[in-house]
Amino acid sequence: GEDVEQSLFLSVREGDSSVINCTYTDSSSTYLYWYKQEPGAGLQLLTYIFSNMDMKQDQRLTVLLNKKDKHLSLRIADTQTGDSAIYFCAESLTGANNLFFGTGTRLTVIP
Amino acid sequence: EADIYQTPRYLVIGTGKKITLECSQTMGHDKMYWYQQDPGMELHLIHYSYGVNSTEKGDLSSESTVSRIRTEHFPLTLESARPSHTSQYLCASRANRGSGANVLTFGAGSRLTVL
Repeated sequence: GEDVEQSLFLSVREGDSSVINCTYTDSSSTYLYWYKQEPGAGLQLLTYIFSNMDMKQDQRLTVLLNKKDKHLSLRIADTQTGDSAIYFCAESLTGANNLFFGTGTRLTVIP
Repeated sequence: EADIYQTPRYLVIGTGKKITLECSQTMGHDKMYWYQQDPGMELHLIHYSYGVNSTEKGDLSSESTVSRIRTEHFPLTLESARPSHTSQYLCASRANRGSGANVLTFGAGSRLTVL
């Protein structure tokens, strides 16, 4: 089955860059996504990338996709305390109607 | 602005009670989903629906049931709650076919505690 993996925890200092990594196994991914979940809340879409793209930038967020290695990363520049949350990567597959989520990475920003 | 609502946000009940978690969306989305989220964060798909009168079981077996009588409404029911049902339940919906990326919009979640 589909397997999407992330490291569980990441701590960074305020103002530094954060890089959250994700690996997936299914090469038929069509889109890959990053969602953010704040405490007690649902998931909020941050950004997504089409599988034939290498990079997408949106303000402080940069998504890099290495399709050969099946590796996705999310870089947050100038990380702020408000960025503390759980970040999920997810993939959608050809013909599938739902998303497959990673385990989530809990980002802690230290003031 | 995404409009998908879940009620109740928090529920504490005793074992054996019947409960229904409500989910409504005003975006006209055909596809709706229920995910169960472990305390350790991982999300598991338990039910989904492609439209009215369509319901399917997800990847994780669940004792809950769902119904889809109206497009905007996708309630989840537990006939007899047990402590093992304690979890966060997240409802989501997806834009209809032809809208490109398979973007799911989530509700705020319902946190269920069964004593």
